[in-house]
Amino acid sequence: DAMVIQNPRYQVTQFGKPVTLSCSQTLNHNVMYWYQQKSSQAPKLLFHYYDKDFNNEADTPDNFQSRRPNTSFCFLDIRSPGLGDAAMYLCATSRATGELFFGEGSRLTVL
Amino acid sequence: AQTVTQSQPEMSVQEAETVTLSCTYDTSESDYYLFWYKQPPSRQMILVIRQEAYKQQNATENRFSVNFQKAAKSFSLKISDSQLGDAAMYFCAYAVGTSYGKLTFGQGTILTVHP
Repeated sequence: DAMVIQNPRYQVTQFGKPVTLSCSQTLNHNVMYWYQQKSSQAPKLLFHYYDKDFNNEADTPDNFQSRRPNTSFCFLDIRSPGLGDAAMYLCATSRATGELFFGEGSRLTVL
Repeated sequence: AQTVTQSQPEMSVQEAETVTLSCTYDTSESDYYLFWYKQPPSRQMILVIRQEAYKQQNATENRFSVNFQKAAKSFSLKISDSQLGDAAMYFCAYAVGTSYGKLTFGQGTILTVHP
């Protein structure tokens, strides 16, 4: 059974139209991460939550926001997607010092 | 800043043979972890093997083993008895000890397994 579930798997949006990607977990892990993986590139950490504490990477654009309403769910909001934001977005979870468990990813296309 | 370099964009191997994927990294930290992750097409990324920098012994997980050369900052993955299911993108990754889940990934190596 999937333990980290991302929805939708594929998202098409128009330039500038806000989009929200969701991630849920059944592992009860206290840390949740969002990585961005552009085509043929390495995944890059955008931000993570340690419990309710939000930790933004220094070079994550302001266009990207995140919400974690409870332990199980985490959302990635892209306020005004540009063509350069087209990518696979990976959610992952872990205990504080444990192995990362990844979801299957949400592929975002921006038209 | 830490960097991870995988110099082999693509590798191929015959089924049942052995293949080695290369990875080098750069860091000034003394407490860190190194990982190999496997990402099959359209499937989630999964951990293959992990190495703690303070351990001299190379990690092994069944058919997967690493050659960790700390002084050279090299961390290669050896896959023995390759299987068709090993075909995937493999990422080498690094994390500072205090930021375990904050991974810095290499560019990845696409592994093809020929029957």
